[in-house]
Amino acid sequence: EPEVTQTPSHQVTQMGQEVILRCVPISNHLYFYWYRQILGQKVEFLVSFYNNEISEKSEIFDDQFSVERPDGSNFTLKIRSTKLEDSAMYFCASRTPSGRVGYEQYFGPGTRLTVT
Amino acid sequence: GIQVEQSPPDLILQEGANSTLRCNFSDSVNNLQWFHQNPWGQLINLFYIPSGTKQNGRLSATTVATERYSLLYISSSQTTDSGVYFCAVAEGGSQGNLIFGKGTKLSVKP
Repeated sequence: EPEVTQTPSHQVTQMGQEVILRCVPISNHLYFYWYRQILGQKVEFLVSFYNNEISEKSEIFDDQFSVERPDGSNFTLKIRSTKLEDSAMYFCASRTPSGRVGYEQYFGPGTRLTVT
Repeated sequence: GIQVEQSPPDLILQEGANSTLRCNFSDSVNNLQWFHQNPWGQLINLFYIPSGTKQNGRLSATTVATERYSLLYISSSQTTDSGVYFCAVAEGGSQGNLIFGKGTKLSVKP
């Protein structure tokens, strides 16, 4: 069964460093998402991406964040200058266009980011 | 924006017991999903259920969209059912961005 994959599973970085989190969505999906979960809290929406551009973003997604689909398979989240409060689990998700198959999103296993 | 409330926040069960988890939402939705977060932090998709009823083994779910709530039933609970259960919804007309509730933390004791 097709699945969303994410790399790395765990990333440790120092404050102020840039990190890139990588995702490979399901191949025929066209909508892509990033979510964040700080330890012990609920999952929060960061950004959605469709047709090679951001379609919606939350207040959390400020100028230090960016997303890119550099080729036909990868979808990346870049954090330009990490802060301690960026430590969290980051989830990538994807879905097909709506219609008969609906809006179900498929989530990757997550990348745990630790900023020291 | 849409609000998602889950209850109860915590639930402790003996193995073999049944339970019902509830999710209330404040507006019409085009997506509702139930997830189980395992001890490794992964979100396991249990149901995609914007309306109607579905069953998968010991788990079943019902969403009454007109009354803006969904229920997740766990029967004959096992210790492996422990973890946090999240309900997530996407507003009608949105790009599908999911808004998560705070979750129900379930502990099943042997």
